[in-house]
Amino acid sequence: GAGVSQSPSNKVTEKGKDVELRCDPISGHTALYWYRQSLGQGLEFLIYFQGNSAPDKSGLPSDRFSAERTGGSVSTLTIQRTQQEDSAVYLCASSLGGGGVGETQYFGPGTRLLVL
Amino acid sequence: RKEVEQDPGPFNVPEGATVAFNCTYSNSASQSFFWYRQDCRKEPKLLMSVYSSGNEDGRFTAQLNRASQYISLLIRDSKLSDSATYLCVVSYNQGGKLIFGQGTELSVKP
Repeated sequence: GAGVSQSPSNKVTEKGKDVELRCDPISGHTALYWYRQSLGQGLEFLIYFQGNSAPDKSGLPSDRFSAERTGGSVSTLTIQRTQQEDSAVYLCASSLGGGGVGETQYFGPGTRLLVL
Repeated sequence: RKEVEQDPGPFNVPEGATVAFNCTYSNSASQSFFWYRQDCRKEPKLLMSVYSSGNEDGRFTAQLNRASQYISLLIRDSKLSDSATYLCVVSYNQGGKLIFGQGTELSVKP
């Protein structure tokens, strides 16, 4: 079946612009996660959705970052007034059930964001 | 100090070699443990979960020592296709967010 998909695959933007990144989880997966992978920083958790609610937003680095999920499916991550330090690969993952500890998360291919 | 720390890489080994990766985690409340594999410019993929009793999947063996907060991965009979970055991962709270180590790069040479 179809895996997690993300769009765009690459995005180049100018400092100060807003960007929207999209994630389509595996059909039927209720838990959805956003992570960021920066050079030298490794993979960092950003936010977790269970259905349309976000019970854990602890990884969002600033109030310029926001995310929403609609219909328990598609999620968008929005970065306002982008800065050069926002350049990274943004990865989305989904898992089947209640986001329980130990549940396998399946990752999408990521969006490579470059802020000039 | 990072929550999950791994051996620095890269590991360069010949085909057929046995290689071991180590990882330590700082949060004693950690409940689930994994090894993920990430190929260059690709997304991470689950290699195996790690259980308290230790577990094996073909050429791969994972061990967990909760008392020492230490996780290991052993790869026997290395193949060229094993070349990748291996990520040590833990999870400890409801919601299941994953905490990743920096990764260890493995390069298997002919």
